Amino acid sequence: KNEVEQSPQNLTAQEGEFITINCSYSVGISALHWLQQHPGGGIVSLFMLSSGKKKHGRLIATINIQEKHSSLHITASHPRDSAVYICAVRTGNQFYFGTGTSLTVIP
Amino acid sequence: DARVTQTPRHKVTEMGQEVTMRCQPILGHNTVFWYRQTMMQGLELLAYFRNRAPLDDSGMPKDRFSAEMPDATLATLKIQPSEPRDSAVYFCASGSPPVDTQYFGPGTRLTVL
Repeated sequence: KNEVEQSPQNLTAQEGEFITINCSYSVGISALHWLQQHPGGGIVSLFMLSSGKKKHGRLIATINIQEKHSSLHITASHPRDSAVYICAVRTGNQFYFGTGTSLTVIP
Repeated sequence: DARVTQTPRHKVTEMGQEVTMRCQPILGHNTVFWYRQTMMQGLELLAYFRNRAPLDDSGMPKDRFSAEMPDATLATLKIQPSEPRDSAVYFCASGSPPVDTQYFGPGTRLTVL
């Protein structure tokens, strides 16, 4: 069993749509990270959360510690948002990663 | 602007050879992470350091992999001897508490023939 599960695995959206990517985890965590990996392979850290909600531009990340669930939302999606989004959780000195959600935004 | 650098960007080697990958963290960052990414396993944490001391390396095959920080500006990951199953992209990331946002390097794409 994977400690971190993401859904959906693949997602195609029309430009302008509201997008939600989900992450569920089974371990107690000290922090949860959302990463974005571009088609060229580069990885960018989007958010680190331990509670509540964070917003950066069109991206919003929420976490519910009791339900062990986090969501990443993208408002007014754009083709440049096309990437793989990876959820990672930290528990002590261990990190566990989801397998990623591949997002394609069509113009 | 400040960024994590990794060298080499690409490495092709033969099975049995030693491979050394280098990472220069962002100046002032005291936490360094080594990750490996493959199609089959996705991203995996191999090891990480804080203030040059290893905090966790449980993700690293100890018999052939070693990670060190000779000084605050250099982290190294060595594989000896390399095997075809080590073929992957190896990422280094650095950060600094309390925010702990990780800044990733561009990765080293390793192919072991």
